[in-house]
Amino acid sequence: GEDVEQSLFLSVREGDSSVINCTYTDSSSTYLYWYKQEPGAGLQLLTYIFSNMDMKQDQRLTVLLNKKDKHLSLRIADTQTGDSAIYFCAGGGATNKLIFGTGTLLAVQP
Amino acid sequence: DSGVTQTPKHLITATGQRVTLRCSPRSGDLSVYWYQQSLDQGLQFLIHYYNGEERAKGNILERFSAQQFPDLHSELNLSSLELGDSALYFCASSDSYEQYFGPGTRLTVT
Repeated sequence: GEDVEQSLFLSVREGDSSVINCTYTDSSSTYLYWYKQEPGAGLQLLTYIFSNMDMKQDQRLTVLLNKKDKHLSLRIADTQTGDSAIYFCAGGGATNKLIFGTGTLLAVQP
Repeated sequence: DSGVTQTPKHLITATGQRVTLRCSPRSGDLSVYWYQQSLDQGLQFLIHYYNGEERAKGNILERFSAQQFPDLHSELNLSSLELGDSALYFCASSDSYEQYFGPGTRLTVT
C-alpha cells in the first residue's frame, strides 16, 4: 500500500541547517513534494523533485532523493525562526492525488 | 497567497446536519482536489475533479459528495454529520503537477 513516514519532531538552533527526512513505499510516485504548514494556515508548496532526479536546489532548500532506498530529505540552510512550522512530504503519481506523510514539526530556537 | 480561496473559514454545526464547503481555484486551473486533515487520520485525499468531471476518489465517505461547476469552482457537500467529521478541509488546484492549497475550512461538529 501507499505509506509515507516522517519523524515527528526536529529542534535546531537559528543559523544551523535543518534536515527533515521522509520515507515512502509507493515506487510509482512520479513527483515528490515538500509542503510547509504554519499554525492555522494552509499548505504552502515549497519545492518538489521529479522521480528521475537525485537532487534539486532552490535557494536555501535542497532536496535529495534516493530512489533505491525510497528516501527523501529536505535540507534548509541557515534556518530562521520564521522556518518554524510543520513540514509535510508527499508523493504524487499518475492519478495526481497526493499521499502525505505524517508531518515533522520543526522548532527553531533563537 | 496561493490564489485558491475557500469559504467559509470556520463552520460550527450539529450532528446530523448538512454543510457545503466552497472552493475557487486559481485562475486558469482546471483541476480541483479536496483533502481532509484530522488529528487521527492526518492529511487524506478525498476527491479530484478536472474540468467538471470526477477523475479520482480517495477515502471519501458515501455521506460526502462533491461537484465542479462550469465556472470551475467546486463544492464539497457533507451530510448526516458526525462528531468524527470535525476536521480541516482543504481544496487545492492545479494546472499540471503542482498543487496549490487554499487556506482551508475548519469544520466543528458538536
